Formats: sequence, C-alpha cells, structure tokens
Amino acid sequence: KQEVTQIPAALSVPEGENLVLNCSFTDSAIYNLQWFRQDPGKGLTSLLLIQSSQREQTSGRLNASLDKSSGRSTLYIAASQPGDSATYLCAVSHAGGTSYGKLTFGQGTILTVHP
Amino acid sequence: DGGITQSPKYLFRKEGQNVTLSCEQNLNHDAMYWYRQDPGQGLRLIYYSQIVNDFQKGDIAEGYSVSREKKESFPLTVTSAQKNPTAFYLCASRRNRDLGEKLFFGSGTQLSVL
Repeated sequence: KQEVTQIPAALSVPEGENLVLNCSFTDSAIYNLQWFRQDPGKGLTSLLLIQSSQREQTSGRLNASLDKSSGRSTLYIAASQPGDSATYLCAVSHAGGTSYGKLTFGQGTILTVHP
Repeated sequence: DGGITQSPKYLFRKEGQNVTLSCEQNLNHDAMYWYRQDPGQGLRLIYYSQIVNDFQKGDIAEGYSVSREKKESFPLTVTSAQKNPTAFYLCASRRNRDLGEKLFFGSGTQLSVL
C-alpha cells in the first residue's frame, strides 16, 4: 500500500528565505506527483505536476523535483513571502490496475512566513 | 467563470440522519472525486466516478453513497452508518481519466455532528 510522508509537519521562516519542503513515497511505481497549496478552510490549488519521466517542473518562484527511484520529491520556494503561508500537500498518482485515477496524499506541511 | 461549486459550506448532522453534500462542475470534466480531510491528515478518497452512470469505491467508502446521473453533478450522501462523519469534505474533478491531467478542487464542505 502506497504511503506518502511529508517533512517537516510545520515550518516557520522569516520573509525572504529560500526553503525546501520534502515528500517521500514508499512505492516508486507512480504515474506522476502533484504539489498542492491549501489555504485555511479552502480547497486545494494545484501548483505543479511532475510526470514520472520528468526530473523537475518550475513555475515562478516554485521548483519541484522528483527522484522516482528513491521515492522522493522536493518543493523549493525561492524568496518566500507572507502570502506563501499555507499548507502544502503532495500527492502521487497510481500507475494502473484497480487504483487507476486515485491519488494518495501526504499529511501536508504547514508553512508560515512572517514579515 | 468555470469551476467546481460545493454546497453548503457548513452542514450539521443530527444523530441517525442522512445528509447530502452537493458538488457541481461546469468544466465539462469526465472524472469526479470525493475526498475526506481530517485535521492534521492528508486527504482520503471516498468515491470516484470516471464517467456518467459509473462510480467506484475509494479507500473509505463505508457509510457513504454517491450517484452520477449527470456529467456536471456528483452528490455525496453521508448516511447514519457513518459513525464519525465530522470532517472537511472536498470534491474534485479532472478533464478525463488521463492521469496527466491536473486535479481541480472545490472549496469544501465542513460537516459537523450536533
């Protein structure tokens, strides 16, 4: 059974810092990995999607990498801002069989960026 | 604006009562999903549907039921058999069953037990 773990559970940094969020998964037979952002009491917004054949994806100040063989992904946020404060979740898509279309989520990292 | 609409935002359930959470999308997406989120935990899949009139159980389907009579709508009923229903419920959709497509989420429904 696929398990997804995110470290750290919470992170508090001053504005302007570069930071790294970690995601690990136990079964490397994934189709892709997505990073999401969730604001308190809201739904999830997709940030980046990395296919299993890719190494990284970039969007603005965000960069996500994927090392499928070791079961790891990192989300790098450059020059953090107070508006980046949110919970960040990673999720892996299963490669096939009866699990087709399902995502397994990590428990999230709560990020606080203070001025 | 295209998107996913969940209603109500807050819902209270009495003991022994069934309640239904609404999810409507105007994105013309084929696939729709229901997730449950508990504090400090990731999302867990309840049910999903990849086409109209068809749906499959997720990891925690017991005590829940769904229907998919229209492409735009995927309502979730929380039955009295669900003994611990208090959670944040999220509906999501994807353009098709292709896993390369991104998942889009609604804004959620917070269900609490009176």
